[in-house]
Order: sequence, then structure tokens, then C-alpha cells
Amino acid sequence: LAKTTQPISMDSYEGQEVNITCSHNNIATNDYITWYQQFPSQGPRFIIQGYKTKVTNEVASLFIPADRKSSTLSLPRVSLSDTAVYYCLVGRDNYGQNFVFGPGTRLSVLP
Amino acid sequence: ETGVTQSPTHLIKTRGQQVTLRCSSQSGHNTVSWYQQALGQGPQFIFQYYREEENGRGNFPPRFSGLQFPNYSSELNVNALELDDSALYLCASSFRSGGGNTQYFGPGTRLTVL
Repeated sequence: LAKTTQPISMDSYEGQEVNITCSHNNIATNDYITWYQQFPSQGPRFIIQGYKTKVTNEVASLFIPADRKSSTLSLPRVSLSDTAVYYCLVGRDNYGQNFVFGPGTRLSVLP
Repeated sequence: ETGVTQSPTHLIKTRGQQVTLRCSSQSGHNTVSWYQQALGQGPQFIFQYYREEENGRGNFPPRFSGLQFPNYSSELNVNALELDDSALYLCASSFRSGGGNTQYFGPGTRLTVL
């Protein structure tokens, strides 16, 4: 399973764009990149998933360079309610292989 | 809302007791994974069930066991509880298709062992 490295914490202000980068140097050919958001005492919530290039949905964008050794989650115009822990996971749910959660990035959005 | 439900929400047990936690998968999902999350840490994979069989296990002792039923709901059983078992237990369901297989998490069960 590919190991990931993310910043432990980040601060931002309301209305700003936040970019969280995750390094996954030993990503395998078939691995997907998935990001989750977690609030205290709640289960992680799926944000976005990608394999290569760029993926965008209604809440975030995911940028993946050609070598796929890193990825960047982009949150446009954050609000106070985006204060949470964000996890980057790399893997492929197949035959018992499972995603490995690291410590995540604690994002604090300030007014 | 992910459609994944867990019960109970909270539970208090004493050391040495046994506990059973329950999870109902999102409709259409055939795979259930269980995670343990200690305070301030990321979730740690316990095991996964696919079509009623254990299909992958993390670094947890045999006193952690589980079941998946024909309707794809699942149970996590923990015997001989220890103080370190106090954590948030998360269930995640997915549909195994060989691709990204996004996991959808339930709200968790907070277990406190005294």
C-alpha cells in the first residue's frame, strides 16, 4: 500500500482558496487517490477521487500531475464549516487491500 | 447522509467484557470494512468482509472478529475488552468493482472501556 505524506496542519481565512498537497511517491499503477473530510466524532466523508489529471465536483477539485507522485486537493472559498481533518488515501479496494489512513491535515478556517 | 448506519451510538463497558457493534451498509453495497479510530489519530483498518467472508485484516488480534450477513449488514465483536480498545469504531461500505471502490462511512460507535 502506498504511503502518503501530508502537512499536519494548515490555517486559512474565510473566502480563501485552500490547497492541500499529498505526496505518494510509491503509488502503484492501479491505485486511485481519494480524499476524505472528517469532523470530530463523525465518520469520514468522501470528498473526491481521481486517477489522473484533474477531477472537479461541486465541493472540490483534485489535481494530479502526470507522474502521479503527488496530488493537490483544492477547496474554493472556504468557510468556517470547512474546519476539519482532511485525509489523503492512495490504494485500490480489491481483494482485501485497503486504504491506509495517515494522521491527515487539520485545516483551521479563521474568520 | 451516506446511508450507512451504526448502532449503538455510544457504549460503555468494563475491562474483560465482550461487545458487539452493528452496521447496516448502503443499499447496493457488497463490501464492509471496519476501522478503529483512537482520539487524535486516523482510522486504523481492522478487517473487511466481502460476500460474507473475511477478505483482508489489519494488525488486530483475534479477539476482534466479525460477521457479514446475506443482506450485507455486519457485526464487529470484541472479546476480553482492554482499556486501549476505547475508541470510535467506524464501519464503511462500498461496492467492489475493481476500480476505486469509494468507501462510505457511517457515523461511528463510541466505545468507552472502564
